[in-house]
Amino acid sequence: NAGVTQTPKFQVLKTGQSMTLQCAQDMNHNSMYWYRQDPGMGLRLIYYSASEGTTDKGEVPNGYNVSRLNKREFSLRLESAAPSQTSVYFCASRRTGTGLYNSPLHFGNGTRLTVT
Amino acid sequence: GENVEQHPSTLSVQEGDSAVIKCTYSDSASNYFPWYKQELGKGPQLIIDIRSNVGEKKDQRIAVTLNKTAKHFSLHITETQPEDSAVYFCAAPTDSWGKLQFGAGTQVVVTP
Repeated sequence: NAGVTQTPKFQVLKTGQSMTLQCAQDMNHNSMYWYRQDPGMGLRLIYYSASEGTTDKGEVPNGYNVSRLNKREFSLRLESAAPSQTSVYFCASRRTGTGLYNSPLHFGNGTRLTVT
Repeated sequence: GENVEQHPSTLSVQEGDSAVIKCTYSDSASNYFPWYKQELGKGPQLIIDIRSNVGEKKDQRIAVTLNKTAKHFSLHITETQPEDSAVYFCAAPTDSWGKLQFGAGTQVVVTP
């Protein structure tokens, strides 16, 4: 059981380049999330998908787009990368539904992105 | 929305001693408080959580306490071991769907 798988693990981009971060989960979870982690700022929510076919902005959505491709996959796209987007990106998923308000988040191992 | 503050940002303890991390939250309606542990190079993983209808919860060497009146909750690690070295995050829900607001994290270093 792989859980949440993120690719790539590392990426270096030049300012203005674009890329897509991939995420897939095999736990049949309804909800998926993208966070970024920066020193001293904890985990900040970029976008989330409460269920297949829906996406919503989180705390820091500017400069990003997402696609919930199907129930398993949720991708994050940077259309024109900026140095401020240098960060570690985590995808997460969780079961949601009636009685599952407090179900735990399951995180992938992250993508470390550097924008020069 | 919810605001979560976490202290300290770093904590160095001798092996065998106890470690305490404290978090405060702003929304008195919040009713669920998880703690996540992040080991180097990995994603965060839930280690313990507490709901607002209880004041304390224990799981072996870790415990979480909640003071709803003061709006703060704490993680306690007893008899620390080198494998407890990690970054710990507290969190609180920001909406009725269970989205979480995370604290800034505490780097715990356990020295032999």
